[in-house]
Amino acid sequence: GQQLNQSPQSMFIQEGEDVSMNCTSSSIFNTWLWYKQDPGEGPVLLIALYKAGELTSNGRLTAQFGITRKDSFLNISASIPSDVGIYFCAGRRWGGGADGLTFGKGTHLIIQP
Amino acid sequence: DTEVTQTPKHLVMGMTNKKSLKCEQHMGHRAMYWYKQKAKKPPELMFVYSYEKLSINESVPSRFSPECPNSSLLNLHLHALQPEDSALYLCASSQGRGNPGTSEQFFGPGTRLTVL
Repeated sequence: GQQLNQSPQSMFIQEGEDVSMNCTSSSIFNTWLWYKQDPGEGPVLLIALYKAGELTSNGRLTAQFGITRKDSFLNISASIPSDVGIYFCAGRRWGGGADGLTFGKGTHLIIQP
Repeated sequence: DTEVTQTPKHLVMGMTNKKSLKCEQHMGHRAMYWYKQKAKKPPELMFVYSYEKLSINESVPSRFSPECPNSSLLNLHLHALQPEDSALYLCASSQGRGNPGTSEQFFGPGTRLTVL
């Protein structure tokens, strides 16, 4: 099956630092999504990207849909303690209808005091 | 209402028990999903319902039986599970066919299942 390579696997950063993570795939995706998951909770949608080259922001978060449609990145500026959690990229192949998402393995963000 | 709700939040069952997980959304979404998530792993797709019809079954064992009684409800019936089925079971919904928002899946908080 398809796989998404997400990196880094974990990040240890200081509060106030900027964060960058990315996902790559061997296949083309029509949609890229970024989720955040806190312990014991379901994933929460942060940003959805629909067009190659699209750059979208949500507060301190910025994500881009790669031109080749095989990659995406997520940046978090000026990290704060509540940014701690696991960030997942997810891709969807088809343009219409309902089908499942393929998830990356996640980036575990840890903020050191 | 922009929530997906799931009950129960926690469930402990024996291998001979029959139980059901429930999921509800009132966003008018016409696609609903079940995912399974093991600790420190990403969610894995199990089933997709589109307009109340099962459209995708990712080769899930028959001890898991999904049901979509109407456009707002999704159930997962469990029978004769194994300890390795212990996981967080997530329900999600999305708009369905016809527009870009179809891709945006909104997840519930999950049911933490433990099989003894």
